[in-house]
Amino acid sequence: GAVVSQHPSWVICKSGTSVKIECRSLDFQATTMFWYRQFPKQSLMLMATSNEGSKATYEQGVEKDKFLINHASLTLSTLTVTSAHPEDSSFYICSARRGNEQFFGPGTRLTVL
Amino acid sequence: RKEVEQDPGPFNVPEGATVAFNCTYSNSASQSFFWYRQDCRKEPKLLMSVYSSGNEDGRFTAQLNRASQYISLLIRDSKLSDSATYLCVVPPTGSSYKLIFGSGTRLLVRP
Repeated sequence: GAVVSQHPSWVICKSGTSVKIECRSLDFQATTMFWYRQFPKQSLMLMATSNEGSKATYEQGVEKDKFLINHASLTLSTLTVTSAHPEDSSFYICSARRGNEQFFGPGTRLTVL
Repeated sequence: RKEVEQDPGPFNVPEGATVAFNCTYSNSASQSFFWYRQDCRKEPKLLMSVYSSGNEDGRFTAQLNRASQYISLLIRDSKLSDSATYLCVVPPTGSSYKLIFGSGTRLLVRP
């Protein structure tokens, strides 16, 4: 199967700081990547669809100015959580589309103090 | 009504047991269905797609009931390693690339 990596795998930051999470497709090119968030004991919720070379499409209720997405190349999408607050603490997972399949990254656990 | 609903469990079964989960979906026009498995603090992994005619992969059997709008996953001869959360996934119509995850059903297989 295809390989998708995320970096960092976990991060702890202070409230008010910004955190950047990278999602890379290692062995294929992905024009479309997805960002999900998962709170404890809840399911994955799609936050946005990241399209290479164009603006991301955000799901209803997700603030685009708070969760900045950049998909500047066919193998890299980044999610920046701006001015993070404790309620943003969550498990952030990306996926990359190849054909009709999606391949998930291992996730990034964000803790905001 | 939620788009995809699952019984959260947990289902606590002994090794060797047969266990089944259901997942209901609200959009009667849905065409694709999947079961994913997620281990604690890990990313979800595709377990199997669900075809109209039903499909089997070793100890796992998936079924689709369009009339009642649910899909099921049957696990036979449960192993300790089957302990995980099983997520039902239904892409929205018109967008086969987005995935809508159910809340998941937790399975605990005990020795």
